[in-house]
Amino acid sequence: QSALTQPPSASGSPGQSVTISCTGTSSDVGGYNYVSWYQQHPDKAPRLMIYDVNERPSGVPDRFSGSKSGNTASLTVSGLQAEDEADYYCSSYAGNNNYVFGTGTKVTVL
Amino acid sequence: QITLKESGPTLVKPTQTLTLTCTFSGFSLTTSGVGVGWIRQPPGKALEWLALLYWDDDKRYSPSLKSRLAITKDTSKNQVVLTMTTMDPVDTATYFCARRPRPYYFDSWGQGTLVTVSS
Repeated sequence: QSALTQPPSASGSPGQSVTISCTGTSSDVGGYNYVSWYQQHPDKAPRLMIYDVNERPSGVPDRFSGSKSGNTASLTVSGLQAEDEADYYCSSYAGNNNYVFGTGTKVTVL
Repeated sequence: QITLKESGPTLVKPTQTLTLTCTFSGFSLTTSGVGVGWIRQPPGKALEWLALLYWDDDKRYSPSLKSRLAITKDTSKNQVVLTMTTMDPVDTATYFCARRPRPYYFDSWGQGTLVTVSS
């Protein structure tokens, strides 16, 4: 299975919104409603931000939201804050108990 | 509070076998639906899923690395062990273990351990 495709970078000013795409195939993103998103600050472990396409774990601000259309999932961060500057990775169930991660997107808060 | 911590060698030689241990607390690997997985991240690169072990001892591996991986558990010690054979410099990465509370995501991660493959 191939990695899911994300844009290398995205940016926005404080208070603005940024949306990150995650493109897969009908065998992963398009085939299941099991897309998750992780935030990773430098030299830190990933943190779960979204699961099952659009569910937020407790403690994650509601500024973070997820969606999916066809083979592409998206993460939107509204009301950007300085602490949102990080790398973001999507992940999808890929059938047969396999998982695949995205290529990662570096979000910069201008 | 759920915690996971990876341990193992920081340096291995090419062709050697890597053995990493994930010691966890705050949850049980005997709970239905729960799993512990391994994910790695080469320096400056993306995350890559490696393996997953379920509460019922079912085991799943990345298709591209399946022949080199083995995952086991010691329930009494709350540990999950990953072995990877025939290590190569391209396997240099930070290796994370993480809990899968139910399909299909990882909600708690260890801090990771950097493994360098070099002669």
